[in-house]
Amino acid sequence: QSVLTQPPSASGTPGQRVTISCSGSSSNIGSNYVYWFQQLPGTAPKLLIYRNNQRPSGVPDRFSGSKSGTSGSLAISGLRSDDEADYYCAAWDDNLSCVVFGGGTKVTVL
Amino acid sequence: QVQLQESGPGLVKPSQTLSLTCTVSGGSIGSASYYWSWIRQPAGKGLEWIGRIYSSGSTNYNPSLKSRVTISVDTSKNQFSLNLSSVTAADTAVYYCARAIKGEWVRLDYWGQGTLVTVSS
Repeated sequence: QSVLTQPPSASGTPGQRVTISCSGSSSNIGSNYVYWFQQLPGTAPKLLIYRNNQRPSGVPDRFSGSKSGTSGSLAISGLRSDDEADYYCAAWDDNLSCVVFGGGTKVTVL
Repeated sequence: QVQLQESGPGLVKPSQTLSLTCTVSGGSIGSASYYWSWIRQPAGKGLEWIGRIYSSGSTNYNPSLKSRVTISVDTSKNQFSLNLSSVTAADTAVYYCARAIKGEWVRLDYWGQGTLVTVSS
C-alpha cells in the first residue's frame, strides 16, 4: 500500500481533459509540495510537475498541477495518444523523513 | 546535458548483497546544488524511494530499508553507489538512479535508464 493514494486508472478520448487525484495526509501533501512524474511504457520516469504546479522546461502547458489541503491533482487537457502512460504523484513525508509515491495511475486514450 | 547510467550485476543470490553504481556525466557530482538518489520499481508495480546522498557523504534512507541500505559517493569518479544487503526475491526490481535538486528532494529532474536486478538462486 502506497502512502499517497491515486486511482489505478483513468481514460479519455483524444482532445478531452483528464484529471488524476492524489490523496495524502498532513505529514506529506498537507505540509509539502506535490510532484508528478510521467512514465511512458518501458522508460524511466520523467519529472512532469514540481512545486505543485510548476512545469520543467519542455513540458507542454497541456499538463497542469494543483494542490488543495492534503490532496493534489494533475490535469491533462487536449489529451493525445502519446499521453498514454503511468503517472505518479510524490511528496516528502515529514513523519517518515523520506520521499513517498502514489501507486500510479494508468492513463488510457480511447 | 546531464546523463546518469546504472551498472552492476543483473542477478544476485538470496541473502547476498546487491551492489549498483551510477555514473554521472555532463555534470559534477560534487556540485553543491544537487542530491543523488536511488529509486526502485518491481515489475508492474509503483516507485519506491530508497535513499539519497549529498556530495559531502550525508545520507537519508527510506526507513523501511534503512537497516539494509548503504549509499556512498566517489567524487573522483563522478559516481555514487547503492549496497542493499540480505536480499530476497522481494528486492527484485528495476533500480533507477536520479538527481534531485538541493532543498527539493522530490524534484528528481534527471534519471538513469534503469537496470533490472533479479534475486534468484
